Amino acid sequence: KAGVTQTPRYLIKTRGQQVTLSCSPISGHRSVSWYQQTPGQGLQFLFEYFSETQRNKGNFPGRFSGRQFSNSRSEMNVSTLELGDSALYLCASSTTGLAPYEQYFGPGTRLTVT
Amino acid sequence: ELKVEQNPLFLSMQEGKNYTIYCNYSTTSDRLYWYRQDPGKSLESLFVLLSNGAVKQEGRLMASLDTKARLSTLHITAAVHDLSATYFCAVDWTGNQFYFGTGTSLTVIP
Repeated sequence: KAGVTQTPRYLIKTRGQQVTLSCSPISGHRSVSWYQQTPGQGLQFLFEYFSETQRNKGNFPGRFSGRQFSNSRSEMNVSTLELGDSALYLCASSTTGLAPYEQYFGPGTRLTVT
Repeated sequence: ELKVEQNPLFLSMQEGKNYTIYCNYSTTSDRLYWYRQDPGKSLESLFVLLSNGAVKQEGRLMASLDTKARLSTLHITAAVHDLSATYFCAVDWTGNQFYFGTGTSLTVIP
């Protein structure tokens, strides 16, 4: 079974631009979560989608948004990029969205904002 | 807000030695997850602990959960170089929203 895939793997953007990251979950998984990983803040939850609905949202500004499509693929968007948005963005998928929420992580997208 | 603390943050140990990583969390939860991350790589699931007293073992790693003490431990037995990585614990509290610990960077020295 193919794992979680994320595209692109690396991205360099300029302050003020916007960016869209994509995540394809494991086949059959309907829940997709997004995390931001930085050396200073560690791993922080951004949001979670299940069956095209956002169920949970972390403590991030409105510049961070996401969506999920009917095939469970998810995208996250960051508008008006800031230097502090430079991070590894990880996507994770899980099965039914019921506990236990064992999450399988993708390889990540490394975003650099200059 | 749920807080998850790991200690130590950095651990350097010799091959063949034993050590324990501790994960404390600040609210009631009976679901605790351990992950491994190699440099520049993603997170690999190690253990899923789902109840008080749960113990799981895989190779040289053993994880346990004490929900009353809000404590999980990851015990390393007879460390080998291949175990060098960063280890994270995570708690899910509000449903599929993981709160991660700070991570423990483990270096095993030959």
